[in-house]
Amino acid sequence: ETGVTQTPRHLVMGMTNKKSLKCEQHLGHNAMYWYKQSAKKPLELMFVYNFKEQTENNSVPSRFSPECPNSSHLFLHLHTLQPEDSALYLCASSQEDMGTGTEAFFGQGTRLTVV
Amino acid sequence: SQQGEEDPQALSIQEGENATMNCSYKTSINNLQWYRQNSGRGLVHLILIRSNEREKHSGRLRVTLDTSKKSSSLLITASRAADTASYFCATDAAGTYKYIFGTGTRLKVLA
Repeated sequence: ETGVTQTPRHLVMGMTNKKSLKCEQHLGHNAMYWYKQSAKKPLELMFVYNFKEQTENNSVPSRFSPECPNSSHLFLHLHTLQPEDSALYLCASSQEDMGTGTEAFFGQGTRLTVV
Repeated sequence: SQQGEEDPQALSIQEGENATMNCSYKTSINNLQWYRQNSGRGLVHLILIRSNEREKHSGRLRVTLDTSKKSSSLLITASRAADTASYFCATDAAGTYKYIFGTGTRLKVLA
């Protein structure tokens, strides 16, 4: 148990659906991240939030929309996804922005399948 | 372009043997971290080494960093079946504020 909880653990959605992934941390961390992990590819950083402000959008398509209502919660809203978006989506948090040299705590991930 | 790249991609050893995996990167860094991931689950932080450090130990783990060669190695001594997992290095390019992960080394420890 890392202190970062993601829900749901598994999600199957059609290409016309709208769904949301949720991430919650009670570690008192200031930075939160979304990563995408596809088979045989490196983890891709998608979004970074620092003190609830988005500080990084790594050229992510607009069909992925993040939301950070407070420093403990992070959402990833999904709409009109493509089959190639099927992947493991990982949320992480850290005390400071990871670039300053602190470790990240990861959730267990949401396994997303787009059909 | 990818910052960290692990080698080998896959490694299979017997329980009790040592496992060594390497990470190479392309630009100067502030820090390098190693993470472990059990199949289909989240990543767990193992160790962080700063650019001015050359070696760090944590239990059965030993990490080295050679900034002149832009490479790091992770050594797991006296491996156990429970060490079976994927291992990733994460590097941050100096002057940036994001960590980039490699594709990982899949380690299998046979009992």
